[in-house]
Formats: sequence, C-alpha cells, structure tokens
Amino acid sequence: DGGITQSPKYLFRKEGQNVTLSCEQNLNHDAMYWYRQDPGQGLRLIYYSQIVNDFQKGDIAEGYSVSREKKESFPLTVTSAQKNPTAFYLCASRPRDRGSGNTIYFGEGSWLTVV
Amino acid sequence: AQTVTQSQPEMSVQEAETVTLSCTYDTSENNYYLFWYKQPPSRQMILVIRQEAYKQQNATENRFSVNFQKAAKSFSLKISDSQLGDTAMYFCAANYGGATNKLIFGTGTLLAVQP
Repeated sequence: DGGITQSPKYLFRKEGQNVTLSCEQNLNHDAMYWYRQDPGQGLRLIYYSQIVNDFQKGDIAEGYSVSREKKESFPLTVTSAQKNPTAFYLCASRPRDRGSGNTIYFGEGSWLTVV
Repeated sequence: AQTVTQSQPEMSVQEAETVTLSCTYDTSENNYYLFWYKQPPSRQMILVIRQEAYKQQNATENRFSVNFQKAAKSFSLKISDSQLGDTAMYFCAANYGGATNKLIFGTGTLLAVQP
C-alpha cells in the first residue's frame, strides 16, 4: 500500500540523548515536512525539503536536524539541544503536481517523551 | 503576518444534526489553498476537504461542505447528519504558496458528537 510510514510510534529519551525519528514514503512525492504538535496547539513546522539533498529550516528548527539523502526518506534527529522535546511529531509529504491542490498528506505520527 | 484563527476551542452536536466550525485567515496573497483536517483520537491527520481560493464555488465532500467567503477571509466547515465517528479535533489550515508551500494551522476545534 502507498503511504507515509513513521517509526517508532512511541519513543522515550533520556536527558542528554539524541534520538532519530524515521519517515519513509512510497508515494513518489517530492516535498517532505516535519511538524511538531503540542497539547492545545496546532502544528508547527520544524524542517522541510523540496528535493533530495536540500532542506530548509521551518519555524522551530532549533535543537533539530534532518537529512534528505533519498527521495523516500526524511529522518528527523532530536538533539540534546532541544530543551523541551516531549511532543507528538508528524511527518508529511506533498506531490509536485498542482492537481492535488497543494495538499499535504501526513503519516501516523510519533510520540516522543523525555524521561 | 499570515495567520489562521479558530475561535471555537470546543463544540458539541447531537448525532444526526448539523454543526458549523469557524475559521478565519489573514493573507495578502491572491492565490492560496485552504484545508480542513480531522484528527481523531488516533492522532493521524486526515484531509476532510480543500478549497482553492480562485474557485468561487464552495467545495463539498459528501456530508462535509465549506462556506468560503474570500472578501471576509472566512472558511467555515459544515458537517451535516453528524455521526459518532465525526468526533475529533478539526484543524483549519492554509497554504499560501511561496518557497515552502507549508501549511499554517489554526489551534483546532474539538468536536464531540453526542448520541
């Protein structure tokens, strides 16, 4: 089945550790995104990538890093510099063609908790 | 600033009745896209309906329809014949284009459908 797969679904991190959230899509979409969701808030953009080997900071990039070595994959690393990483993380992708109406499609999300 | 505002944090509706969720936005762009996403307890973001700003006709998807008022910058969602499965958080979002093609989200409206 085509879709966006995020793993793991639940992740616990100790203080001072880096962790990486995986995002893989087999939709042949060009653009990929990482959003963070906190209780009572909408989604905020962390990083985005329009093409392979290129990515840009979003609104809350501090303490995060990404890579885009393959079209299908856009992993997010939450570093120890991120002061409040406990949140729900959503990966998304968008096709290049305008026929989709610039629609962004989401994965099922990953919960990250700092213990 | 380009914003999206949802002024109703919570709403309740009886099963089989109709409910309208409000959304306003702010942009100086002329071409943009508006979306309503549903986030059930599973937390996955599901596209409900989208509207292209250049289209005057309101979008409709089965029981879901929008009232798009471009001059007033208003984009409300009407759910007809509400079902228990419609219980979810609903997010209004806008894509104003540009380099990122990112979605800007409102803070959401929690809709509870009562039996």
